[in-house]
Amino acid sequence: EDQVTQSPEALRLQEGESSSLNCSYTVSGLRGLFWYRQDPGKGPEFLFTLYSAGEEKEKERLKATLTKKESFLHITAPKPEDSATYLCAALGSGTYKYIFGTGTRLKVLA
Amino acid sequence: DSGVTQTPKHLITATGQRVTLRCSPRSGDLSVYWYQQSLDQGLQFLIQYYNGEERAKGNILERFSAQQFPDLHSELNLSSLELGDSALYFCASSAPGFRGTGEKLFFGSGTQLSVL
Repeated sequence: EDQVTQSPEALRLQEGESSSLNCSYTVSGLRGLFWYRQDPGKGPEFLFTLYSAGEEKEKERLKATLTKKESFLHITAPKPEDSATYLCAALGSGTYKYIFGTGTRLKVLA
Repeated sequence: DSGVTQTPKHLITATGQRVTLRCSPRSGDLSVYWYQQSLDQGLQFLIQYYNGEERAKGNILERFSAQQFPDLHSELNLSSLELGDSALYFCASSAPGFRGTGEKLFFGSGTQLSVL
């Protein structure tokens, strides 16, 4: 069964303290690994798509990487406005079901 | 603004009642997805429609049903509501994938359902 697991569940960082969020996935024939940011009471907002192992994408202080079993979201020198829940989702072959992890709640303290 | 519109934003109702949630996808998107988000379960896939046809089904209860209309808007109907149905319900849309790859989802702002 396709599965996505994220860790840690929650993370508190000081402003400027870099860290990484983990997303482990088990899907057959990955057709895409997606990262989203979700603010309280709002819908998830798309960040990145990764398609194959070794691929990397960057946007401002965020960088997403992909291996055959995991994806990482690296946050460099975070700011308080980066505080949010970060979700990853995987889409396997032969399906249209995007499987989401339960997310990492990130809090960046000033 | 994602371009996906969901109404209403909030719904408060009683157990046993029936409600309808509405979603308008982004212009040009043919796929509509419905997700349920609760505090303890995260985003749970309910159902997907593509150009009016049901394409994928997740853990959707028999009390729930959905459809996509010719103008591509979609409705999610929830009946015989129970306390446990209280959650955020999200609609998302996507463009067709290129060469079979998955495409990013654009989410609406959700409907907060409270069953009292």
